Amino acid sequence: DQQVKQNSPSLSVQEGRISILNCDYTNSMFDYFLWYKKYPAEGPTFLISISSIKDKNEDGRFTVFLNKSAKHLSLHIVPSQPGDSAVYFCAASHGSGNTGKLIFGQGTTLQVKP
Amino acid sequence: DADVTQTPRNRITKTGKRIMLECSQTKGHDRMYWYRQDPGLGLRLIYYSFDVKDINKGEISDGYSVSRQAQAKFSLSLESAIPNQTALYFCATSEGSGGVFRADTQYFGPGTRLTVL
Repeated sequence: DQQVKQNSPSLSVQEGRISILNCDYTNSMFDYFLWYKKYPAEGPTFLISISSIKDKNEDGRFTVFLNKSAKHLSLHIVPSQPGDSAVYFCAASHGSGNTGKLIFGQGTTLQVKP
Repeated sequence: DADVTQTPRNRITKTGKRIMLECSQTKGHDRMYWYRQDPGLGLRLIYYSFDVKDINKGEISDGYSVSRQAQAKFSLSLESAIPNQTALYFCATSEGSGGVFRADTQYFGPGTRLTVL
């Protein structure tokens, strides 16, 4: 049972335009969400996160939106740059008990064309 | 130098062989994790350790074992490798600062690509 789903395996956008990556989850106990970016031959690196008590978090060109009622989050990249081309994973955690475990989605491959 | 290192980076082995993947970290974190990544499935947790004496199974631990030799070292073993264990394996660490409404950010190594023939 996939608790965190990224239903779009790939996304292609033009440089300078907005990239929107989507993520859905099923477990209402998740209280923190993270996005990781992964380049080929490298491990995932932390990008941005959001607590479930917020609906938006912004860091430079990256903004994450959370819609708790829909159990949906999205990552917006504006403007998109060729260096943003990578695989993006969303992940969720359930903080109660501080288990530290993250549940990852399948990943979305973003290609930004010059 | 990288904070989280994995050896080897690539390994090809045969069915039935025993293989060990090693992970070392210089971040001083207590928590360490092993994941595998398969196409279309994302990252799935194999084992995790909150300190040297605390080892826990993840969602896909069958066929794997781990050893936490020290705070900085966490090894993953495949006692008898099989072809469906062909995957990309990642080690990760975290400092254990998470809680309700606060994540325990994990930091990943570069990965080991394992092929079992």
